Amino acid sequence: DAKTTQPPSMDCAEGRAANLPCNHSTISGNEYVYWYRQIHSQGPQYIIHGLKNNETNEMASLIITEDRKSSTLILPHATLRDTAVYYCIVRVVSGGGYQKVTFGTGTKLQVIP
Amino acid sequence: NAGVTQTPKFRVLKTGQSMTLLCAQDMNHEYMYWYRQDPGMGLRLIHYSVGEGTTAKGEVPDGYNVSRLKKQNFLLGLESAAPSQTSVYFCASSYRGAYEQYFGPGTRLTVT
Repeated sequence: DAKTTQPPSMDCAEGRAANLPCNHSTISGNEYVYWYRQIHSQGPQYIIHGLKNNETNEMASLIITEDRKSSTLILPHATLRDTAVYYCIVRVVSGGGYQKVTFGTGTKLQVIP
Repeated sequence: NAGVTQTPKFRVLKTGQSMTLLCAQDMNHEYMYWYRQDPGMGLRLIHYSVGEGTTAKGEVPDGYNVSRLKKQNFLLGLESAAPSQTSVYFCASSYRGAYEQYFGPGTRLTVT
Protein backbone atom coordinates (compact mmCIF):
# COMPACT_ATOMS: atom_id res chain seq x y z
CA ASP A 1 0.00 0.00 0.00
CA ALA A 2 1.10 3.55 -0.74
CA LYS A 3 2.25 5.71 2.14
CA THR A 4 0.35 8.80 3.14
CA THR A 5 1.47 12.07 4.68
CA GLN A 6 -0.83 14.18 6.83
CA PRO A 7 -0.21 17.23 9.02
CA PRO A 8 -0.10 16.18 12.67
CA SER A 9 -2.66 18.74 13.79
CA MET A 10 -5.10 21.40 12.60
CA ASP A 11 -7.56 23.83 14.14
CA CYS A 12 -10.91 24.86 12.70
CA ALA A 13 -13.51 27.32 13.93
CA GLU A 14 -16.91 25.87 14.71
CA GLY A 15 -19.31 26.31 11.79
CA ARG A 16 -16.55 26.73 9.23
CA ALA A 17 -15.40 24.17 6.72
CA ALA A 18 -12.57 21.91 7.83
CA ASN A 19 -10.22 20.95 5.00
CA LEU A 20 -7.90 18.09 5.85
CA PRO A 21 -5.12 17.40 3.32
CA CYS A 22 -3.42 14.13 2.54
CA ASN A 23 -0.48 13.44 0.25
CA HIS A 24 -0.18 10.04 -1.38
CA SER A 25 2.29 10.67 -4.19
CA THR A 26 3.12 6.99 -4.70
CA ILE A 27 -0.47 5.85 -5.07
CA SER A 28 -0.99 3.26 -7.77
CA GLY A 29 -3.84 2.94 -10.20
CA ASN A 30 -5.77 0.32 -8.28
CA GLU A 31 -5.55 1.98 -4.87
CA TYR A 32 -8.45 3.82 -3.32
CA VAL A 33 -8.28 6.68 -0.82
CA TYR A 34 -10.14 6.01 2.42
CA TRP A 35 -10.80 8.30 5.36
CA TYR A 36 -11.57 7.24 8.91
CA ARG A 37 -11.75 9.24 12.10
CA GLN A 38 -11.29 8.37 15.75
CA ILE A 39 -13.03 10.41 18.36
CA HIS A 40 -11.29 10.30 21.71
CA SER A 41 -11.22 6.78 23.21
CA GLN A 42 -13.68 5.41 20.64
CA GLY A 43 -13.13 2.97 17.80
CA PRO A 44 -12.28 4.40 14.37
CA GLN A 45 -15.25 5.34 12.22
CA TYR A 46 -15.38 5.03 8.44
CA ILE A 47 -16.11 8.35 6.71
CA ILE A 48 -15.74 8.09 2.94
CA HIS A 49 -13.63 6.64 0.15
CA GLY A 50 -12.93 7.27 -3.52
CA LEU A 51 -10.81 6.25 -6.49
CA LYS A 52 -10.51 9.27 -8.77
CA ASN A 53 -13.82 11.08 -8.79
CA ASN A 54 -14.89 13.44 -6.06
CA GLU A 55 -17.25 11.84 -3.59
CA THR A 56 -19.81 13.21 -1.14
CA ASN A 57 -21.92 11.62 1.54
CA GLU A 58 -23.84 12.81 4.57
CA MET A 59 -20.67 13.20 6.60
CA ALA A 60 -18.11 14.73 4.26
CA SER A 61 -16.77 15.38 0.79
CA LEU A 62 -13.61 13.90 -0.68
CA ILE A 63 -11.70 15.82 -3.34
CA ILE A 64 -9.00 13.87 -5.19
CA THR A 65 -6.60 15.71 -7.49
CA GLU A 66 -6.50 14.76 -11.12
CA ASP A 67 -3.09 13.11 -10.79
CA ARG A 68 -4.38 11.34 -7.63
CA LYS A 69 -1.27 12.28 -5.69
CA SER A 70 -3.20 14.15 -3.02
CA SER A 71 -6.68 14.50 -1.63
CA THR A 72 -8.67 16.68 0.75
CA LEU A 73 -11.39 15.65 3.15
CA ILE A 74 -13.91 18.42 3.67
CA LEU A 75 -16.25 18.68 6.64
CA PRO A 76 -18.54 21.46 5.40
CA HIS A 77 -19.72 22.85 8.74
CA ALA A 78 -17.47 21.61 11.51
CA THR A 79 -18.98 21.10 14.97
CA LEU A 80 -17.32 20.41 18.30
CA ARG A 81 -18.25 16.75 17.84
CA ASP A 82 -15.95 16.62 14.81
CA THR A 83 -12.91 17.01 17.05
CA ALA A 84 -11.02 13.77 16.37
CA VAL A 85 -7.99 12.20 14.76
CA TYR A 86 -8.53 11.78 11.02
CA TYR A 87 -6.75 9.00 9.16
CA CYS A 88 -6.08 9.01 5.43
CA ILE A 89 -5.43 5.53 4.08
CA VAL A 90 -4.73 4.23 0.61
CA ARG A 91 -5.40 0.61 -0.12
CA VAL A 92 -6.01 -1.84 -2.86
CA VAL A 93 -9.64 -2.78 -3.33
CA SER A 94 -10.10 -5.99 -5.21
CA GLY A 95 -12.45 -8.91 -5.19
CA GLY A 96 -11.28 -11.25 -2.52
CA GLY A 97 -8.80 -11.96 0.22
CA TYR A 98 -7.45 -9.94 3.05
CA GLN A 99 -6.63 -6.34 2.21
CA LYS A 100 -4.15 -4.68 4.53
CA VAL A 101 -5.26 -1.42 6.10
CA THR A 102 -2.48 0.69 7.58
CA PHE A 103 -3.50 3.36 10.03
CA GLY A 104 -0.80 5.98 10.47
CA THR A 105 -0.84 8.67 13.13
CA GLY A 106 -3.35 10.87 11.28
CA THR A 107 -4.29 14.54 11.75
CA LYS A 108 -5.65 15.68 15.06
CA LEU A 109 -8.44 18.14 14.24
CA GLN A 110 -9.46 20.51 17.01
CA VAL A 111 -12.73 22.37 16.41
CA ILE A 112 -12.71 25.61 18.37
CA PRO A 113 -15.91 27.26 19.66
CA ASN B 1 -28.35 -3.13 14.82
CA ALA B 2 -25.83 -3.10 17.63
CA GLY B 3 -22.96 -3.17 15.11
CA VAL B 4 -19.73 -4.37 16.69
CA THR B 5 -19.69 -4.92 20.43
CA GLN B 6 -16.80 -5.81 22.72
CA THR B 7 -16.71 -7.40 26.15
CA PRO B 8 -15.37 -6.34 28.62
CA LYS B 9 -14.83 -2.58 28.36
CA PHE B 10 -12.10 -2.50 30.99
CA ARG B 11 -9.91 -5.13 32.62
CA VAL B 12 -6.92 -5.21 34.93
CA LEU B 13 -4.77 -8.34 34.94
CA LYS B 14 -1.73 -9.41 36.87
CA THR B 15 1.30 -10.64 34.95
CA GLY B 16 0.84 -14.29 34.01
CA GLN B 17 -2.95 -14.30 34.20
CA SER B 18 -5.06 -15.25 31.23
CA MET B 19 -8.20 -13.78 29.76
CA THR B 20 -10.41 -13.75 26.69
CA LEU B 21 -11.81 -10.71 24.93
CA LEU B 22 -15.06 -11.22 23.07
CA CYS B 23 -16.08 -9.43 19.90
CA ALA B 24 -19.54 -9.82 18.38
CA GLN B 25 -21.04 -8.36 15.20
CA ASP B 26 -24.60 -8.52 13.91
CA MET B 27 -23.96 -7.34 10.35
CA ASN B 28 -23.29 -10.79 8.88
CA HIS B 29 -19.76 -9.71 7.95
CA GLU B 30 -17.31 -12.30 6.72
CA TYR B 31 -14.13 -10.62 7.92
CA MET B 32 -13.20 -9.79 11.48
CA TYR B 33 -10.07 -8.20 12.95
CA TRP B 34 -8.32 -7.54 16.24
CA TYR B 35 -6.13 -4.44 16.60
CA ARG B 36 -4.22 -2.91 19.45
CA GLN B 37 -3.57 0.78 19.90
CA ASP B 38 -0.80 2.18 22.07
CA PRO B 39 -0.26 5.84 22.96
CA GLY B 40 1.16 7.87 20.07
CA MET B 41 0.89 4.96 17.66
CA GLY B 42 -1.56 3.95 15.03
CA LEU B 43 -3.57 0.76 15.14
CA ARG B 44 -1.64 -2.45 14.66
CA LEU B 45 -3.28 -5.62 13.45
CA ILE B 46 -2.94 -8.62 15.77
CA HIS B 47 -4.98 -11.34 14.04
CA TYR B 48 -7.78 -11.47 11.54
CA SER B 49 -10.32 -13.93 10.17
CA VAL B 50 -11.70 -14.22 6.66
CA GLY B 51 -14.60 -16.45 7.67
CA GLU B 52 -16.00 -18.83 10.23
CA GLY B 53 -13.40 -21.36 11.33
CA THR B 54 -10.45 -19.46 9.86
CA THR B 55 -7.82 -17.21 11.45
CA ALA B 56 -4.57 -15.62 10.30
CA LYS B 57 -1.71 -13.66 11.84
CA GLY B 58 -1.40 -9.92 11.50
CA GLU B 59 1.53 -7.62 12.29
CA VAL B 60 1.89 -8.30 16.01
CA PRO B 61 0.47 -11.79 16.77
CA ASP B 62 2.94 -12.95 19.44
CA GLY B 63 1.38 -13.61 22.84
CA TYR B 64 -2.18 -13.77 21.47
CA ASN B 65 -4.45 -16.49 20.16
CA VAL B 66 -7.80 -16.18 18.42
CA SER B 67 -10.78 -18.30 17.49
CA ARG B 68 -13.76 -17.85 15.17
CA LEU B 69 -16.10 -20.72 15.93
CA LYS B 70 -19.19 -18.73 14.94
CA LYS B 71 -19.40 -16.21 12.14
CA GLN B 72 -20.61 -13.45 14.44
CA ASN B 73 -17.97 -13.90 17.15
CA PHE B 74 -14.20 -13.41 17.22
CA LEU B 75 -12.34 -14.17 20.44
CA LEU B 76 -8.92 -12.84 21.40
CA GLY B 77 -7.05 -14.74 24.10
CA LEU B 78 -4.06 -13.86 26.21
CA GLU B 79 -2.64 -17.03 27.73
CA SER B 80 -0.05 -15.39 29.99
CA ALA B 81 -0.45 -11.65 30.15
CA ALA B 82 2.61 -9.40 30.16
CA PRO B 83 2.89 -5.66 30.95
CA SER B 84 3.77 -5.08 27.28
CA GLN B 85 0.20 -6.12 26.44
CA THR B 86 -1.22 -3.13 28.27
CA SER B 87 -3.14 -1.42 25.48
CA VAL B 88 -6.53 -0.58 24.05
CA TYR B 89 -7.88 -3.41 21.93
CA PHE B 90 -10.27 -2.80 19.08
CA CYS B 91 -12.26 -5.34 17.16
CA ALA B 92 -13.52 -4.61 13.65
CA SER B 93 -15.50 -6.35 10.94
CA SER B 94 -16.05 -5.91 7.22
CA TYR B 95 -18.32 -7.45 4.62
CA ARG B 96 -15.35 -8.59 2.60
CA GLY B 97 -11.64 -7.85 2.76
CA ALA B 98 -11.87 -4.91 0.41
CA TYR B 99 -14.76 -3.18 2.16
CA GLU B 100 -14.71 -0.56 4.88
CA GLN B 101 -14.22 -1.79 8.43
CA TYR B 102 -16.59 -1.13 11.30
CA PHE B 103 -15.03 -0.89 14.71
CA GLY B 104 -16.17 -1.72 18.21
CA PRO B 105 -15.84 0.65 21.18
CA GLY B 106 -12.62 -0.92 22.47
CA THR B 107 -11.37 -2.77 25.56
CA ARG B 108 -8.88 -1.01 27.81
CA LEU B 109 -6.54 -3.63 29.28
CA THR B 110 -3.94 -2.98 31.95
CA VAL B 111 -1.43 -5.65 32.94
CA THR B 112 0.40 -5.00 36.20
